[in-house]
This record gives sequence, C-alpha cells and structure tokens, in this order.
Amino acid sequence: GAGVSQTPSNKVTEKGKYVELRCDPISGHTALYWYRQSLGQGPEFLIYFQGTGAADDSGLPNDRFFAVRPEGSVSTLKIQRTERGDSAVYLCASSLWGGSATEAFFGQGTRLTVV
Amino acid sequence: DAKTTQPTSMDCAEGRAANLPCNHSTISGNEYVYWYRQIHSQGPQYIIHGLKNNETNEMASLIITEDRKSSTLILPHATLRDTAVYYCIVSMNYGGSQGNLIFGKGTKLSVKP
Repeated sequence: GAGVSQTPSNKVTEKGKYVELRCDPISGHTALYWYRQSLGQGPEFLIYFQGTGAADDSGLPNDRFFAVRPEGSVSTLKIQRTERGDSAVYLCASSLWGGSATEAFFGQGTRLTVV
Repeated sequence: DAKTTQPTSMDCAEGRAANLPCNHSTISGNEYVYWYRQIHSQGPQYIIHGLKNNETNEMASLIITEDRKSSTLILPHATLRDTAVYYCIVSMNYGGSQGNLIFGKGTKLSVKP
C-alpha cells in the first residue's frame, strides 16, 4: 500500500502477557517513529529510528518496552508483562530522510487494550 | 513537555477562515514550527511547517511573527471536514528528518454549518 500500515488494528490482551505491534513504513522512508496516545491526550513520543538504529529512545517509559527495526524497514514494538496502564492507541509514523522532505506520515494506529 | 501553548478549543463557521494561534516563546533559532491535525480515530496528518518566513500550501497558510515567539495557522475556507484537533509543534530539523515531534494537547477546532 501507499501509506504506513500498522497491524493489528486492535489487540486485546490479558495483564501480564507479551504483545508485539507491527509497523510497515512507506517504502524508502528511513526515519520511523513510535508514539502512543491515551484518550483525550496528544500523541506521546516513544522512540525514533534512523535506518536500523534507534536515534532517540528517550520516550520509552520503562524496560518493558522495546522496539526493533532490524532491516531498516518494518519495525516491531514489543511490550512485556503488559499492565492495564499500557492500554492506548500506538501510532507509527515514517518520513523520508534528506532534502526538504520533512513530512511524517502516520498510520491508523493499533488500539491495545489490556484487561 | 510540549514547548507550545494553544487554546483548548475553537469554533469556526463553515466557509469562513479559521485562525489557530500558537505561542512558542522559548523557540530556539534552529527549531521549526510544524502543524499537524488529527481527525477523530485517525492518525495525525501533516499540514505545514516553517522556520522564519510565512508559508502557504494547498491546505493552509502559516504566519510566523518576526520574533518567532508565536504563529498562526490559517485555514482560508473552513469546511466541516476540517473539524479536528490541531497540534502546533516546535522541533529541530535533523538533516531533513523531523526527529522526535513532541505533541501537546492541541486545539480542538469545531467547524459548524
């Protein structure tokens, strides 16, 4: 597809379980971002990749959260020992490196519900 | 924390110009002003960005004050589909990529018929 794709669109999991959220960026985009958004709040920055490496992971709330982007394309956000407070919409965005291309394209998000 | 201050909500009549203000009094010389919007249940959508000069594209105009401490996003002829939360963000532009965008709570714009 032409846009950023996130799967699954909805995920319900039990407290304490492990979850993986996937992001397929726009082809050729080297920058990739993860955000999470709680109801009534703006998106909260989690981590930013430039290529395969995490250029800024200062937004990850604790060591239960981890993200990878092994080939510089698809990224997976991993959450261990999920807690009810992790329930939110997780957003992924990508942008093209270089020149005047500074627009970040967002996916529709994955709604995570921890019960 | 977000480096910007925006009104919580605004109303606009359909067909009229919507002027959304943003204060960013601590902006530094290498930081850009970005505007995004988020329509209900969708991911944020880029609108426009600027550094010092006013900018215009097919969606909107961005007016930045000379001291760069505030800006205004203008939607020249608002439609019902422009109802959304509008986010003003300041961020450095690392070699063409935006780095991390720090969102605040934004302004909820309601366009009314």
